[in-house]
Amino acid sequence: KNQVEQSPQSLIILEGKNCTLQCNYTVSPFSNLRWYKQDTGRGPVSLTIMTFSENTKSNGRYTATLDADTKQSSLHITASQLSDSASYICVVNLSGTYKYIFGTGTRLKVLA
Amino acid sequence: DADVTQTPRNRITKTGKRIMLECSQTKGHDRMYWYRQDPGLGLRLIYYSFDVKDINKGEISDGYSVSRQAQAKFSLSLESAIPNQTALYFCATSDSWENQPQHFGDGTRLSIL
Repeated sequence: KNQVEQSPQSLIILEGKNCTLQCNYTVSPFSNLRWYKQDTGRGPVSLTIMTFSENTKSNGRYTATLDADTKQSSLHITASQLSDSASYICVVNLSGTYKYIFGTGTRLKVLA
Repeated sequence: DADVTQTPRNRITKTGKRIMLECSQTKGHDRMYWYRQDPGLGLRLIYYSFDVKDINKGEISDGYSVSRQAQAKFSLSLESAIPNQTALYFCATSDSWENQPQHFGDGTRLSIL
């Protein structure tokens, strides 16, 4: 069954600290993996997209990694800011299809 | 102005009523999608359209219908709303090129009493 699992479900960190969010998937065949940020009351916004051949991609303080062999991805946030408080959603695209399998997200709260 | 606009942002209605949620986009994308988001679940696809003449069911289309009035407009209807359709609904668009991001509206929070 095609699934995307994220951990932890929620996380609280202090401003300025780093954190890493995890995503494991069983989607096959795999086309690409995406990370989205969803602020409360807003729609998801794309952070990174990685294809099978890419193992890292950065977007400012956000760095995503991908290990296609173990079917794991992580999103690392450096020097967190209050505005990083949001849900982070991992999404995997089935190769050659319109299908996107969404994880349930990690809810991150950054405290001052 | 937002690239993907959804109206209304919030709606409370009663069981059995017909509801229409509207989505318009200024990104010029051919592909448009309707998703619903429920607590503890990932977004699930209701319908998608790859151009004006193309409408396809997603994984949870029962109880819903859609209309693609133009490249920029894609509406979702609940013919006879029921309480378990209470959810957050998102419209999204994407370019037809592979490996392009989906662009989401800010959602419609729908409550059915």
